[in-house]
Amino acid sequence: DADVTQTPRNRITKTGKRIMLECSQTKGHDRMYWYRQDPGLGLRLIYYSFDVKDINKGEISDGYSVSRQAQAKFSLSLESAIPNQTALYFCATTGNQGAIEQFFGPGTRLTVL
Amino acid sequence: DAKTTQPTSMDCAEGRAANLPCNHSTISGNEYVYWYRQIHSQGPQYIIHGLKNNETNEMASLIITEDRKSSTLILPHATLRDTAVYYCIVRAYNNNDMRFGAGTRLTVKP
Repeated sequence: DADVTQTPRNRITKTGKRIMLECSQTKGHDRMYWYRQDPGLGLRLIYYSFDVKDINKGEISDGYSVSRQAQAKFSLSLESAIPNQTALYFCATTGNQGAIEQFFGPGTRLTVL
Repeated sequence: DAKTTQPTSMDCAEGRAANLPCNHSTISGNEYVYWYRQIHSQGPQYIIHGLKNNETNEMASLIITEDRKSSTLILPHATLRDTAVYYCIVRAYNNNDMRFGAGTRLTVKP
């Protein structure tokens, strides 16, 4: 089984709808991240969390919110989706401070019509 | 974190070494160089990292210049499965904010 899973893998929604993307990890890591990727561009950090009670804004947090329900789960919400939020979304996890490697999920392709 | 500059794309013949350059002229003394790759639209995959010494693992080698202002990732015997976008990232060891640029799109050709 994959260490980092994301659901759904694909989603099409309409402008103004609320949508939640979910991420789960089995690596026992404390730190989790949400990124978005637009075509031809690198990943940009949306939010990150260092433990259940910790939430931090990343480079592009406007229009998004997150919830860290448990060590293993980190959800990303779009309160009112808009077309320019159409993108590929990745969840990632890493160990404690200074950890070398981030482990990424398979991605969620979101289309907002 | 220091900014990196990479070529937009490169080609490499199958079986030959692929040498991917990265410039990071504003790197700070506590910043490491990391390389990740992304195959098609999958999640990025860690390859290797280094501070100032050259590093090698089962996937690749990393050569960092003495002044640390640039580095080269070497895939010694590229295969078709190495076709991907390669990202060079510079960040401090205790900073978990990974800043991905556009990367280099490597195409390995038969």
